Amino acid sequence: NAGVTQTPKFRVLKTGQSMTLLCAQDMNHEYMYWYRQDPGMGLRLIHYSVGEGTTAKGEVPDGYNVSRLKKQNFLLGLESAAPSQTSVYFCASSYSGTANTLGLDTQYFGPGTRLTVL
Amino acid sequence: DAKTTQPTSMDCAEGRAANLPCNHSTISGNEYVYWYRQIHSQGPQYIIHGLKNNETNEMASLIITEDRKSSTLILPHATLRDTAVYYCIVNARMGGSQGNLIFGKGTKLSVKP
Repeated sequence: NAGVTQTPKFRVLKTGQSMTLLCAQDMNHEYMYWYRQDPGMGLRLIHYSVGEGTTAKGEVPDGYNVSRLKKQNFLLGLESAAPSQTSVYFCASSYSGTANTLGLDTQYFGPGTRLTVL
Repeated sequence: DAKTTQPTSMDCAEGRAANLPCNHSTISGNEYVYWYRQIHSQGPQYIIHGLKNNETNEMASLIITEDRKSSTLILPHATLRDTAVYYCIVNARMGGSQGNLIFGKGTKLSVKP
């Protein structure tokens, strides 16, 4: 079980370039999430998905697009990168989104992607 | 949505118990308390969660006050590898979001030899 993996681990972009971050999970989870973390701050939710073929906006969705064509993959796209998008990006997945004693909504995180936009 | 308040930083001697407090005075009756931690440069890691009863697992214990307005995460025998930022979170719903975890700034725990 690899858990949650992210590709790439590091990337440097120039302003205006585009790229796609890939998140993959092998736990058969329904829910997947993309967060960003800036220095000295907690994580902020960008977009999330409650199942294959569905996506929804989180707290800071502007400048990003996502797709969930396969249950195990969740892609985060930057169409025209800006310096303000320099951050560490974390993907997570969970079996469900509803809190319960079984902890089925526990989120498992990937190792992160460090993105720098010059 | 309920919010949490945690101390910015704490120190703990290696081998001693680390007690990390969290206030969540506006928590709703159906909201759970979660604890995650983030070791430097890694993704957050789930530790434990609970509703109103005290909980224990192989990593930690969670003590929730009877009025549920505060809780304490206990690492019984802290090691240097427990140095991390610890996040106390209540399961929150923001707009149409489901399962959204709102991470604050957490408590930076430094375990010292």
